[in-house]
Amino acid sequence: KAGVTQTPRYLIKTRGQQVTLSCSPISGHRSVSWYQQTPGQGLQFLFEYFSETQRNKGNFPGRFSGRQFSNSRSEMNVSTLELGDSALYLCASSLVDLMNTEAFFGQGTRLTVV
Amino acid sequence: GQQLNQSPQSMFIQEGEDVSMNCTSSSIFNTWLWYKQEPGEGPVLLIALYKAGELTSNGRLTAQFGITRKDSFLNISASIPSDVGIYFCAVTYGGATNKLIFGTGTLLAVQP
Repeated sequence: KAGVTQTPRYLIKTRGQQVTLSCSPISGHRSVSWYQQTPGQGLQFLFEYFSETQRNKGNFPGRFSGRQFSNSRSEMNVSTLELGDSALYLCASSLVDLMNTEAFFGQGTRLTVV
Repeated sequence: GQQLNQSPQSMFIQEGEDVSMNCTSSSIFNTWLWYKQEPGEGPVLLIALYKAGELTSNGRLTAQFGITRKDSFLNISASIPSDVGIYFCAVTYGGATNKLIFGTGTLLAVQP
C-alpha cells in the first residue's frame, strides 16, 4: 500500500511570508503528527492530529498551526516565516491503538527561508 | 523537557564489523522505537519494542528494551555499506499517541 506522501518536497520562501505543507497518511491511519528537523535541535514534535482534532502539541510558537480533514489528510501552516524556520518538516502517520504505536514517516518537505 | 541520550554520536567502521549503539532516559517509557534516516529521506522504522526486557531481531539488526524501561540498545551485525545513515531511538508516551521523542542520533559510516 502507498506510504505517507508529503508535498511539496522542496520550498523556498521569503521572511515574513506564510507557507502550507500537506501530508497524506497511509490509508486507514487516523493519526498524523508533524515534526521539525534541524541540525541544531534534531527532530522535534510539533503537533498531532487524530480524527480532525489536535490531540498533542509541542513547544512551538503560535505561528505554527495545523489541521486535519475528514479523510485524515493533514496540513500544517507557518505564518510570518523567520530564517530559523528553515528545516525539514516531517509528517508521520499511525494507526494508534493501544497495541501499536508505530509511526511511519513521509520523505519530508525541505523548507528554506531566505 | 524529556531527553534521550543517544551514544555514540558517530561511528566510522569497516565493512563486516559489528555495531552497537544505545539510548538512555531519566524517565520510564512504554515503547522504544529505532529508526534509520538516509540523506533526503524521512526516518524509516527498523524495530519496535513494547515490553521491558524484550529482545527483537530484524535481519542483521537486534534491539533490546531495557529491564528498567529507561534504556534500549541496537546492534547491527556484519555491517555493509548500505547501513550508512543516521540511526535514531525514539519513545512514545503511554497510551495511544503518535507523539514521539527522538534521541540525538548516531551517524554510521561504513567503509567498504
